[in-house]
Amino acid sequence: DAGVIQSPRHEVTEMGQEVTLRCKPISGHDYLFWYRQTMMRGLELLIYFNNNVPIDDSGMPEDRFSAKMPNASFSTLKIQPSEPRDSAVYFCASSLDGNTEAFFGQGTRLTVV
Amino acid sequence: AQSVTQLDSQVPVFEEAPVELRCNYSSSVSVYLFWYVQYPNQGLQLLLKYLSGSTLVKGINGFEAEFNKSQTSFHLRKPSVHISDTAEYFCAVSDLNAGGTSYGKLTFGQGTILTVHP
Repeated sequence: DAGVIQSPRHEVTEMGQEVTLRCKPISGHDYLFWYRQTMMRGLELLIYFNNNVPIDDSGMPEDRFSAKMPNASFSTLKIQPSEPRDSAVYFCASSLDGNTEAFFGQGTRLTVV
Repeated sequence: AQSVTQLDSQVPVFEEAPVELRCNYSSSVSVYLFWYVQYPNQGLQLLLKYLSGSTLVKGINGFEAEFNKSQTSFHLRKPSVHISDTAEYFCAVSDLNAGGTSYGKLTFGQGTILTVHP
């Protein structure tokens, strides 16, 4: 398996624009996680899914953030409208079940100017 | 877990010297424990994990860690480091539910930057 695949790797956008980050988890993994990494706050969980269903979105910072998982092989994280403070590296991760380790993608580095 | 504390933000060390990266956690329930490594501009890679059993766990690249339940610690060690070990290391914890299984979500420490000098 190619691992967790995220796209794009880098995104630069202007404030106010909509941004969509994409993730393809490892085939057969039931859990999918979205994390955000910043210098100030470190790695923080935004939302996670089990069998395509959102389980815990308490880490989503604001209503500007939304995530979907329409099927087992694809998830999106959308920010609308984007703001400069959303600049961060966003990681997607998947795990086989809740009792095994999470495998991380390479991340999307988002810069909002 | 309520919190994960990595006691050192930066650890400089010379090549072939031993190293210990410290991690303490706070949780009201049982936990699984992990160490991940992040190389520049890359994702996180699992080094090792403690789920149950022996409290001394061995991982990749010669790293090992020991779970100490009474001290709520999970320190990472390597007896002899290489230049290629230069990276950022993250300790992470996953809470277990009443059934003894995990929800899978991780709480991370702030990271320790290990710099190995020649």
